[in-house]
Amino acid sequence: QKEVEQNSGPLSVPEGAIASLNCTYSDRVSQSFFWYRQYSGKSPELIMSIYSNGDKEDGRFTAQLNKASQYVSLLIRDSQPSDSATYLCAVNEENYGQNFVFGPGTRLSVLP
Amino acid sequence: DTEVTQTPKHLVMGMTNKKSLKCEQHMGHRAMYWYKQKAKKPPELMFVYSYEKLSINESVPSRFSPECPNSSLLNLHLHALQPEDSALYLCASSSSWAGTSNQPQHFGDGTRLSIL
Repeated sequence: QKEVEQNSGPLSVPEGAIASLNCTYSDRVSQSFFWYRQYSGKSPELIMSIYSNGDKEDGRFTAQLNKASQYVSLLIRDSQPSDSATYLCAVNEENYGQNFVFGPGTRLSVLP
Repeated sequence: DTEVTQTPKHLVMGMTNKKSLKCEQHMGHRAMYWYKQKAKKPPELMFVYSYEKLSINESVPSRFSPECPNSSLLNLHLHALQPEDSALYLCASSSSWAGTSNQPQHFGDGTRLSIL
C-alpha cells in the first residue's frame, strides 16, 4: 500500500519569506514526483515535477528530491499572498502506469 | 483556463435522476482519468482509460459508469446517486498511461456535484 504523507498545516509564513513544504512516501519504487497547487474550490494545477535526486528550480519554486530518504520538498521563495493555497504532493511509481497517489495536502497561508 | 474542459461546472440532481458529466481534451493525450474529491481531501482516483480502454476501476459503485467514446472525450454517467456522492469530480489527462511514468496529469476545472 503506497502512502504519501504531508503536514496538513496550515503553514503560515510572512510575505517575502521562504515557504518549505515537505512530503514523504513509503514506496521505494516510486520514480516520479509532482507538486500541484489547488486554490479553494478550484482544480489542482501542476507547478513542478521532479524525477532525479537533487534540486530543480523554476522561477520562485525549487523542488528537492532525496530518493534514499524517500523525501520530496517544495520551496517557495519570496512568498506572495497569491501563493496561499493547498499544495498537493503526488507520487507515481515506475511500473504501474500513471497511478498517482496524492498526499493529503498542506495548506499554505502567506500573510501580508 | 485549462486545456481539459469539463461540463457542466455545477450539477444538482435528485437521487433518482440520470445525468452525465463530460470531459474533453485536445492535447493528443491517450490517457484520461476520473477523480472524486471531497472537501479538504486529496483527489481519489475512480477510473483510468488508456487508448480508450478502461485500465483501472478503483472499486467504484456501479451507479457511476464511465465511457470513452474517442481519444478526446470522457464521460461519466450517473444514476441513482446517494447524498454522500456529492463532491467535486475532476477529469485529468496525460500523454500516456503505461510505459513512461514521468508524465504529469493535467486537470480540468471540475464539476461540482450536489445530490439532493
